[in-house]
Amino acid sequence: HLQLRESGPGLVRPSETLSLTCAVSGDSISTDPYYWGWVRQPPGKGLEWIGSIFYSGATYYNPSLKSRVTVSVDASRSQFSLRLRSVTAADTAVYYCARLGPLSVPAAMRSFDHWGQGTLVTVSS
Amino acid sequence: QSLLTQPPSTSGTPGQRVTISCSGSSSNIGSNTVSWYQQVPGTAPKLLIFTDDQRPSGVPDRFSGSKSGTSASLAISGLQSEDEADYYCATWDDSLHGFVFGAGTKVTVL
Repeated sequence: HLQLRESGPGLVRPSETLSLTCAVSGDSISTDPYYWGWVRQPPGKGLEWIGSIFYSGATYYNPSLKSRVTVSVDASRSQFSLRLRSVTAADTAVYYCARLGPLSVPAAMRSFDHWGQGTLVTVSS
Repeated sequence: QSLLTQPPSTSGTPGQRVTISCSGSSSNIGSNTVSWYQQVPGTAPKLLIFTDDQRPSGVPDRFSGSKSGTSASLAISGLQSEDEADYYCATWDDSLHGFVFGAGTKVTVL
């Protein structure tokens, strides 16, 4: 049974870097050719895709965030991470990690089929 | 402003059928598949429909998806009180080279 769990600081100061980790259990992040991704949701607003990473390390980022985002994978620890630099109050949101599947379709046709519970990150001094 | 347009809200009485539209363009819905997500407030989104019209195991067959050209739709038949939630469409956009979500539709069961 696949489980994803986000972890990281709930409060980040403006201009600093937001860092989150997604721990994956119940699946092999290092051998199965899945994409893994991050999605965020500001309070009271809709979903926004942040970026995705292939198990081999190839990445795709939302153009609006690309200059500030890094997504990386640590297969040995079965986890992947998000770093968002130079944060402002506009980056306050619930951050979700998710898996993109199924494997039977091309990457662009995949869906976010498993989600973490989400973690609220507030940007404030 | 999202590249995918959804109505902000819709409603129905128990047992009714409601549909939610998702309008895009040739660079997204017109050339890629659509997925739909249900989000009950305070919880994580849940995949309802993938590759336009496929249901993951465990999703009731009351939920169905369809696509035509640059638009997609989610239908909920036999509306139930537990269907009250926000619904989002999503797809890949070839121009942005990334995923895009609709702004979401709030379904209210009267």
